[in-house]
Amino acid sequence: DTEVTQTPKHLVMGMTNKKSLKCEQHMGHRAMYWYKQKAKKPPELMFVYSYEKLSINESVPSRFSPECPNSSLLNLHLHALQPEDSALYLCASSQVGQGFAEKLFFGSGTQLSVL
Amino acid sequence: SQKIEQNSEALNIQEGKTATLTCNYTNYSPAYLQWYRQDPGRGPVFLLLIRENEKEKRKERLKVTFDTTLKQSLFHITASQPADSATYLCALVRTSGTYKYIFGTGTRLKVLA
Repeated sequence: DTEVTQTPKHLVMGMTNKKSLKCEQHMGHRAMYWYKQKAKKPPELMFVYSYEKLSINESVPSRFSPECPNSSLLNLHLHALQPEDSALYLCASSQVGQGFAEKLFFGSGTQLSVL
Repeated sequence: SQKIEQNSEALNIQEGKTATLTCNYTNYSPAYLQWYRQDPGRGPVFLLLIRENEKEKRKERLKVTFDTTLKQSLFHITASQPADSATYLCALVRTSGTYKYIFGTGTRLKVLA
């Protein structure tokens, strides 16, 4: 199984809603990532988890709250988002780099619209 | 701050020709550089990796070069096909502490039949 599965594929939410994005992989990868991608722009790194611990937070607003409950799952909790947060949210996983840059495996993303 | 630019936002070429995409970076000395392909509505898919001490890497119709003096990588697709039409992204990998993958601006390639 070389897939990263993201749910839901599409999400529409109001600015007062609370929702969660989910990501799952069964490749035994111990590094997991959240990226945000606006239309016709490159993916922007948000968070990195390594061995289920948050190791990078790219100064993301607190209305985005990541969680890694176990080595296969990664969640992104959303609360009080703004319309400019509308984007494709991509989850990725990789082996933990040990002197070598492992390749990233991406899910197909969640297309989020904030009204 | 780190800046990674890919030469053109969009590139159209005729089927059968070689497509050449450029990735330029500043304020950074990556140990590795990767190339990904992204189709609309999908996540990026890994294609090739090249290390800082490697000049060239090949895989089937793909070739990547890495010039750390010029701070540039070139990505070539030979004998291009319409199925190669996609957005291609370079990614620099920082390897101090947790590995950090930073993506370039991307080039939308369209191969015309």
